[in-house]
Amino acid sequence: DQQVKQNSPSLSVQEGRISILNCDYTNSMFDYFLWYKKYPAEGPTFLISISSIKDKNEDGRFTVFLNKSAKHLSLHIVPSQPGDSAVYFCALYNFNKFYFGSGTKLNVKP
Amino acid sequence: NAGVTQTPKFQVLKTGQSMTLQCAQDMNHEYMSWYRQDPGMGLRLIHYSVGAGITDQGEVPNGYNVSRSTTEDFPLRLLSAAPSQTSVYFCASSYTRPEVAGDTGELFFGEGSRLTVL
Repeated sequence: DQQVKQNSPSLSVQEGRISILNCDYTNSMFDYFLWYKKYPAEGPTFLISISSIKDKNEDGRFTVFLNKSAKHLSLHIVPSQPGDSAVYFCALYNFNKFYFGSGTKLNVKP
Repeated sequence: NAGVTQTPKFQVLKTGQSMTLQCAQDMNHEYMSWYRQDPGMGLRLIHYSVGAGITDQGEVPNGYNVSRSTTEDFPLRLLSAAPSQTSVYFCASSYTRPEVAGDTGELFFGEGSRLTVL
């Protein structure tokens, strides 16, 4: 049974608007929560992260929100740009292991 | 700075053949790991290592072996390939574990190795 779920396989957003990507998890044991971005034929690259003791972390256009009571993680991208079009994976960490979601393909339309 | 280098990028095997996927990093990272990516499944951890001489199993270790004789290298071995091992494999490394360094736990990934088992 998957511990980390990204229930939206795809998302389409207009350039300049907000993109919201979501991730749900089933276990409270995770210490760190990360987002990765992946272009075709490349390895994932790190985007932003948050530790379990925080509920929000910002880095430029990217903000990650953590709701521990709801076991929910989200990534906000504002404003969205065409170059943001990629697959986004959430990843959760606990004691040497990273658990990845299945990914959401974001398409930002010019 | 090469980062994480994986070889080969593409490989076709027949059922029952063996092979090794190579992974090398030049960043002096303690932590190294192998993932497989399958459609609709995201990345799943196969094996990981927290330092030279130390390896452990991830979520899907069956059919794979690893070793870590040096800090730089972390090869993944398929002893008897099966069609179910057709996948894209990623090697990743980080300086250390997040709870040790108190950092983000950022993983640096290689470009991937696409393996097809017929």
